[in-house]
Amino acid sequence: ETGVTQSPTHLIKTRGQQVTLRCSSQSGHNTVSWYQQALGQGPQFIFQYYREEENGRGNFPPRFSGLQFPNYSSELNVNALELDDSALYLCASSFFGGRRDGYTFGSGTRLTVV
Amino acid sequence: EDQVTQSPEALRLQEGESSSLNCSYTVSGLRGLFWYRQDPGKGPEFLFTLYSAGEEKEKERLKATLTKKESFLHITAPKPEDSATYLCAVQVRTSGSRLTFGEGTQLTVNP
Repeated sequence: ETGVTQSPTHLIKTRGQQVTLRCSSQSGHNTVSWYQQALGQGPQFIFQYYREEENGRGNFPPRFSGLQFPNYSSELNVNALELDDSALYLCASSFFGGRRDGYTFGSGTRLTVV
Repeated sequence: EDQVTQSPEALRLQEGESSSLNCSYTVSGLRGLFWYRQDPGKGPEFLFTLYSAGEEKEKERLKATLTKKESFLHITAPKPEDSATYLCAVQVRTSGSRLTFGEGTQLTVNP
């Protein structure tokens, strides 16, 4: 059973640029969620994708967008980067409709905006 | 608004010194309460899910309990390798699969 893999592990971008982060879900999972974790804080829910459609969104502006592909992998896109976007971005996969356990997190992408 | 509060923010123990971490929550319809462990620079690692008041789960030196207002993570005879940040999260019936996390408790176990 493979886990959740995220790429890249680290990224440095300039304010105003755009970034794409990638996530491969755990085998057998069909739902992917993205979280933002600022230093010293708990993860904050950005959005979730199920069947390639956004299925719930947290308090994040539209410049945060995503995609889910038929193989259940996912992308998080952030446009017009701001300094406050610097954080650890976490991807979590689960199986919608099955066990309520099993939110598996990846190791995250550390994004630094300068 | 759903709220999750963890205490203490940081806890320093000597090896073998048992203690408890607290997670209090205010939600409209709890579907599940999750405990995760997070090492620096890594993603959260799943520990337990609790679904109803009175439920308890154990794994090695860790035991999680749940009441209608809070959850405790009891650590018995901790070892230095138990040092990590412990995160509590809730899933609410009206919010789909979204997890709402607390700020975490940073645990340090000294040898």
